Amino acid sequence: DAGITQSPRHKVTETGTPVTLRCHQTENHRYMYWYRQDPGHGLRLIHYSYGVKDTDKGEVSDGYSVSRSKTEDFLLTLESATSSQTSVYFCAIREDTDEKLFFGSGTQLSVL
Amino acid sequence: AQKITQTQPGMFVQEKEAVTLDCTYDTSDPSYGLFWYKQPSSGEMIFLIYQGSYDQQNATEGRYSLNFQKARKSANLVISASQLGDSAMYFCAMREASSGGYNKLIFGAGTRLAVHP
Repeated sequence: DAGITQSPRHKVTETGTPVTLRCHQTENHRYMYWYRQDPGHGLRLIHYSYGVKDTDKGEVSDGYSVSRSKTEDFLLTLESATSSQTSVYFCAIREDTDEKLFFGSGTQLSVL
Repeated sequence: AQKITQTQPGMFVQEKEAVTLDCTYDTSDPSYGLFWYKQPSSGEMIFLIYQGSYDQQNATEGRYSLNFQKARKSANLVISASQLGDSAMYFCAMREASSGGYNKLIFGAGTRLAVHP
């Protein structure tokens, strides 16, 4: 299994509070991604990264920011959480020479 | 705009039977990749199979095969000899044309498969 860990696994927070989700990998892959999963939408890309300090926006990036100060860590921050950001968040990694993405176990976030 | 469509919200199949999960895609890019992922009730996303648009043969991985019909823009997943453990949500995905090397994937809404004994 790909060495990818998401934390926390579950979080409940209140509207307006900042939240940071962490993705940690032990594979030393440069490509990392954050997706959110909502019923009826499959997974949608929030942000992605190709190495330290190289990040870009995906399809649904509004309200989210990311940081990657080390190859192994990709952080997703909700600056001021809203109820519409209640979702399951998946981190994924990819090896340079491979097509497929490997996903973490996901973080269930509830914003009340 | 690129799009992945999975028209079957739910399917069921008898154990040991084969089942086909439908996926159609829309892209104007001649170079693309198609993926299938499985999500069991435990929630993790498991890669099953990949097909490149220039691949001449249909991809196969054990009991999984991808029925790739380029002219019809379909990439159906065939599971042979279904097992109870195949009960899960299945997602079809396509590499975005503008991905470059980033392999940004667009996902369909998924099909929930139930395997009955």
